[in-house]
Amino acid sequence: ETGVTQTPRHLVMGMTNKKSLKCEQHLGHNAMYWYKQSAKKPLELMFVYSLEERVENNSVPSRFSPECPNSSHLFLHLHTLQPEDSALYLCASSQDSSLAGYTGELFFGEGSRLTVL
Amino acid sequence: GENVEQHPSTLSVQEGDSAVIKCTYSDSASNYFPWYKQELGKRPQLIIDIRSNVGEKKDQRIAVTLNKTAKHFSLHITETQPEDSAVYFCAANYSGAGSYQLTFGKGTKLSVIP
Repeated sequence: ETGVTQTPRHLVMGMTNKKSLKCEQHLGHNAMYWYKQSAKKPLELMFVYSLEERVENNSVPSRFSPECPNSSHLFLHLHTLQPEDSALYLCASSQDSSLAGYTGELFFGEGSRLTVL
Repeated sequence: GENVEQHPSTLSVQEGDSAVIKCTYSDSASNYFPWYKQELGKRPQLIIDIRSNVGEKKDQRIAVTLNKTAKHFSLHITETQPEDSAVYFCAANYSGAGSYQLTFGKGTKLSVIP
């Protein structure tokens, strides 16, 4: 296994629901990411945490709320989503230096397939 | 910000033939160019990368070339096999202090026909 585990793998929710996606990495990395993958679009970076501090937030709507309690866990809290938010949400981790920024390989999880009705 | 264009969006080749995927980028400060492979229903995985201090890098049947002047880089797969069928993503990034913005292309779906 790659060492990055995401749960749940599939999630169906209504527009008024609140749910959370979970990511856990066992690689000893110090940076974790949330990406959104939609059909026929590039992978879109949503959030980056380095050493548990958020370092990137790419103008993501507030209905997506990340949480990084420690360097091994990352959550994405979902609230009042829209149908256009349906996508594959990929978590990734890397070994980064706060001084050098992104320097190496991203290790992705299998993703959480989200469907918003 | 960085913009990465990737072509073609789909590519079909006969088994044993070569495949070439091309990407262009906009930010001349970008200095790190990885390629990821995503098989159907699987996670993206890094297959090869190149940094701006080299022009070409090879790993068995896979090679990547970089032309910094023209701001384009390419993935070359020789002697293609059915297991090479996947979506390939190029990406570009400025690897410097405080930089985490890896910009991906839209992907190329490669089909290798047995």
